[in-house]
Amino acid sequence: DTAVSQTPKYLVTQMGNDKSIKCEQNLGHDTMYWYKQDSKKFLKIMFSYNNKELIINETVPNRFSPKSPDKAHLNLHINSLELGDSAVYFCASSGGDRDTEAFFGQGTRLTVV
Amino acid sequence: GQQVMQIPQYQHVQEGEDFTTYCNSSTTLSNIQWYKQRPGGHPVFLIQLVKSGEVKKQKRLTFQFGEAKKNSSLHITATQTTDVGTYFCADPTGGGADGLTFGKGTHLIIQP
Repeated sequence: DTAVSQTPKYLVTQMGNDKSIKCEQNLGHDTMYWYKQDSKKFLKIMFSYNNKELIINETVPNRFSPKSPDKAHLNLHINSLELGDSAVYFCASSGGDRDTEAFFGQGTRLTVV
Repeated sequence: GQQVMQIPQYQHVQEGEDFTTYCNSSTTLSNIQWYKQRPGGHPVFLIQLVKSGEVKKQKRLTFQFGEAKKNSSLHITATQTTDVGTYFCADPTGGGADGLTFGKGTHLIIQP
């Protein structure tokens, strides 16, 4: 069983569209995250979500919104997609403490055309 | 926000040569994690260092945490083609959204 799974793996869409990426973890972790990896492979935290508490990186545009229907899921919604949103988005989870390792999903390669 | 600087950005080695990547922080780190990302893959946790001066080994990989807990290194002895990928250090406590603050990574390219 995949510990952290996200879908789709690839997403190609036009500018201005709204899209969602789904993430599920079966590790029983308390905290889930979304990271963005740009074309230079720089990884940057976007959100963390723990027990209904959402922490947002201040650099993330408000067109991005995470939604957690339950503890095992953290989906990412993106409105009015822009060319600069093209990147690989990784979902991750951890046990909750800052000191525990993070488990990453396979990534979603988003291409905005 | 807090940054973790990582060098070099790219490293080309011949198979069998050693490889080292370095991370530095301007502030004291409580701990540091290392991840490996294979081409086309996702980051995979390798190790966490917590104690000042700590040294940990995983087969051909040696991880060090500086005495001042401001720097860390990953050394691979006698690289193999399976070592290809990007190695990231990460600070678990400096994230703007309570997540990991990653270094920019070192891309290891191995020539057979």
